[in-house]
Amino acid sequence: GAVVSQHPSWVICKSGTSVKIECRSLDFQATTMFWYRQFPKQSLMLMATSNEGSKATYEQGVEKDKFLINHASLTLSTLTVTSAHPEDSSFYICSAGGSNYGYTFGSGTRLTVV
Amino acid sequence: QKEVEQDPGPLSVPEGAIVSLNCTYSNSAFQYFMWYRQYSRKGPELLMYTYSSGNKEDGRFTAQVDKSSKYISLFIRDSQPSDSATYLCAMSFDNTDKLIFGTGTRLQVFP
Repeated sequence: GAVVSQHPSWVICKSGTSVKIECRSLDFQATTMFWYRQFPKQSLMLMATSNEGSKATYEQGVEKDKFLINHASLTLSTLTVTSAHPEDSSFYICSAGGSNYGYTFGSGTRLTVV
Repeated sequence: QKEVEQDPGPLSVPEGAIVSLNCTYSNSAFQYFMWYRQYSRKGPELLMYTYSSGNKEDGRFTAQVDKSSKYISLFIRDSQPSDSATYLCAMSFDNTDKLIFGTGTRLQVFP
């Protein structure tokens, strides 16, 4: 089946620093990747849609200058949380579409900003 | 009205029970329907992936899609404590478009 690898699985950073999260499709080419944010006991909230070779499409209310998304190849998309603040602490999950198995999710990244 | 409605539960059942999870939706243009299982602090794991109406079975899991009623279901037979998780329904207009999720149903299977 399709596999999506997401790293790191958890990260703690100081307020004001930037954090990069990677999402890789290991055995298929993902023309489209999605980035989600999830708060405890809540469903996934779509942040942005990332298309290979073009600018990401952000959902309403998501700051594109704060959450930088790059989809430079068919197997890699990155989310950079810039100038992180404690309110950015959350569970971030990527998914990749376009495989024969539907949408496959990464294992998620737990970000804690102190 | 939300595009996808799902009872958040929690749903608590004894081991061995048949579990029925459901979602309703409002947009008849949805074509792809999925069920995901999510354990605490993990990414969602795809359980079932169906296109348009009909049934699909995989082991103890059966997914049903009734597009005329805008209603999808996931049945779990012989439920196990290891099935305890949050179950999310999701749907999309095509297989590369963004997913629209339900809120998730928390299931607890007790021994």
